[in-house]
Amino acid sequence: AQSVTQLGSHVSVSEGALVLLRCNYSSSVPPYLFWYVQYPNQGLQLLLKYTSAATLVKGINGFEAEFKKSETSFHLTKPSAHMSDAAEYFCAVSDDSSASKIIFGSGTRLSIRP
Amino acid sequence: DGGITQSPKYLFRKEGQNVTLSCEQNLNHDAMYWYRQDPGQGLRLIYYSQIVNDFQKGDIAEGYSVSREKKESFPLTVTSAQKNPTAFYLCASSIRDRGQDDQPQHFGDGTRLSIL
Repeated sequence: AQSVTQLGSHVSVSEGALVLLRCNYSSSVPPYLFWYVQYPNQGLQLLLKYTSAATLVKGINGFEAEFKKSETSFHLTKPSAHMSDAAEYFCAVSDDSSASKIIFGSGTRLSIRP
Repeated sequence: DGGITQSPKYLFRKEGQNVTLSCEQNLNHDAMYWYRQDPGQGLRLIYYSQIVNDFQKGDIAEGYSVSREKKESFPLTVTSAQKNPTAFYLCASSIRDRGQDDQPQHFGDGTRLSIL
C-alpha cells in the first residue's frame, strides 16, 4: 500500500526566508509524486510532479522538489518566501500513470511572517 | 476556458435531509472523482468514475451516492445516512489513459457543506 507523510501540520517562516516542507512516501513500486497548493476556499492546483524523468523537479511560483529514493523523500523548497505563498500544501503519491488513485498527505499549512 | 465547476459554493443541510452537490467539467475528461476534506486529514476519496455509467467506491463511500449519466457530470448525493457530513467537498477530473507527461487530476473550487 502507498502512503505519504507530511511532517509538520503548520510551518511558519519570515518573508524572504527559505521554505522547506517535508514529505516522505511509502511505495512498493516506483512512485509518481506530486505537490499541490490550496488557497482558502479553493480547489487544489498542481505545483509540480515527479515522474522519474529527473530527480530535481521545478514547478510554478519558484518552488522545486527533489526526489531522494534512498530517503524516500520528496521535500518541497523555495529559496525566498513571499507573502502570497501562504496556503496549504499537499504532497501526493500515485503508483500508476493513470492517476486513478492518488493518495494525499494530511497537508501542511504555510504561514508567512512579515 | 475549460475547467471544473462545482455548485453551490456553500450549502446548508437540515438533519435527515439528502442534498446533492453538482460537478460539471468541460475538459473532455473520462475520469471524475469526489473527495472529502476535513481539517488536518487531507483529502479522502469518496467515489470515482472512469467511464460513463460506471463508478467505484473510494475509501469513505458510506452515506454517499453518485451517478455518471453524462461524461461531463458527476453529481454527489450526501444522504441522511452520513452522520457527519459537515466538510469541504472537492470534485476532480483526469484523462483516463495518460502518459507520464500528462497532468494528474484537475480540481474544482469545492463546496462547503454545513449542518443547520
